[in-house]
Amino acid sequence: EVQLVESGGGLVQPGRSLRLSCAASGFNFDDYGMHWVRQTPGKGLEWVSGINWNSETVHYAESVKGRFIISKDNAKKSLYLQMNSLSPEDTALYYCAKDRTFDSSGPFDSWGQGTQVTVSS
Amino acid sequence: DIQMTQSPSILSASVGDRVTITCRASQDISHWVAWYQKKPGKAPKLLIYTASYLEDGVSSRFSGTGSGTEFTLTISDLQPDDFATYYCQQYNRYWEGIFTFGPGTKVDVK
Repeated sequence: EVQLVESGGGLVQPGRSLRLSCAASGFNFDDYGMHWVRQTPGKGLEWVSGINWNSETVHYAESVKGRFIISKDNAKKSLYLQMNSLSPEDTALYYCAKDRTFDSSGPFDSWGQGTQVTVSS
Repeated sequence: DIQMTQSPSILSASVGDRVTITCRASQDISHWVAWYQKKPGKAPKLLIYTASYLEDGVSSRFSGTGSGTEFTLTISDLQPDDFATYYCQQYNRYWEGIFTFGPGTKVDVK
């Protein structure tokens, strides 16, 4: 059974950084692309970033480009999201999601339970 | 950017009903649409991909159709477990890293 467990969320002040982690199990992590998706009450689901199986291809939503960095450690079966220069607009529940393919082309066939990020002074 | 819209935003229905949700794209996205079910406090669940393919393990009461700019998700014989919010997602231009979700349709009890 595929399991994705996010961690690292919390309350952080504007302008600070936070690193999210996603521990994967139940599938061959090496073979699949991965994504981060966030949900806010007002905006619904928003794709944040994606990475292909071997980390050669990464993509970011315009709203986070230049501030967030996605990475994938196949040896540790883990996905990460380094979030810098956080603003209140980044407040959301962040989900880790597994791509259905190796090249992060979508869709997303397994999701974690999410980790809450709150940006506030 | 490709925009996705959904209608209705709220759909009130009864157990046993057949319900249809429509998703429209702002430009031709071929058949690159997925549908997800989301319940409060739970992770989203993939139901349909490539417009009409049923994800493994998903009830055959769910079906998807469409291509180009208009897509539909139909739930036949609505069950109590089906009351949830449904999102469409386009992944037509994945090579540009563009994945857009619709705003969601909440199916609630009439």
